Amino acid sequence: DADVTQTPRNRITKTGKRIMLECSQTKGHDRMYWYRQDPGLGLRLIYYSFDVKDINKGEISDGYSVSRQAQAKFSLSLESAIPNQTALYFCATSDLGEAANGELFFGEGSRLTVL
Amino acid sequence: GDSVTQMEGPVTLSEEAFLTINCTYTATGYPSLFWYVQYPGEGLQLLLKATKADDKGSNKGFEATYRKETTSFHLEKGSVQVSDSAVYFCALSNLVSGANSKLTFGKGITLSVRP
Repeated sequence: DADVTQTPRNRITKTGKRIMLECSQTKGHDRMYWYRQDPGLGLRLIYYSFDVKDINKGEISDGYSVSRQAQAKFSLSLESAIPNQTALYFCATSDLGEAANGELFFGEGSRLTVL
Repeated sequence: GDSVTQMEGPVTLSEEAFLTINCTYTATGYPSLFWYVQYPGEGLQLLLKATKADDKGSNKGFEATYRKETTSFHLEKGSVQVSDSAVYFCALSNLVSGANSKLTFGKGITLSVRP
């Protein structure tokens, strides 16, 4: 089983719908991140959390919200999806030592299409 | 803020060709530098890293040297294989507060290797 699991892996939805992407990890890491990947734009950070009580906005947080339900769970919500939120979304984790060394562990991605 | 610039892609090479992928960065302080690789259908994984100036990271035949004087971290491989076909991301890690750091990615470059 993967250490970082994302659900769903693929989702097609319509404009205006609420969508939640979930991430769970078995690595015991405190730090969790949500990124989106767009062709030609690379990975951009949406939100990150250094522990259960800590939530921080990334560079493109508008239109998104997150919830850190437990150390192992970090969900990303789109309250009212729009077409330009069509992208590949990645969850990642790290612990203090690995974060200081920059090593993140990524899930396999959730492909979201908003029609 | 911190930024990473990668050469434009995609790159197509024949098997056993020499590979160079350029990466330059802008950052305050003393960032750590990384190359991540994304194979088709998978999440990103760390390929190699360097944490201080003049360090050389290496893995799977790939190498990159942290050059502070030119703010560069170019990825090289002497003889590429078809299995190296993937998207390659240059990234840097810098402190954001206390002991917490954040990763900034370049846009990525797609490498295709022909048999």
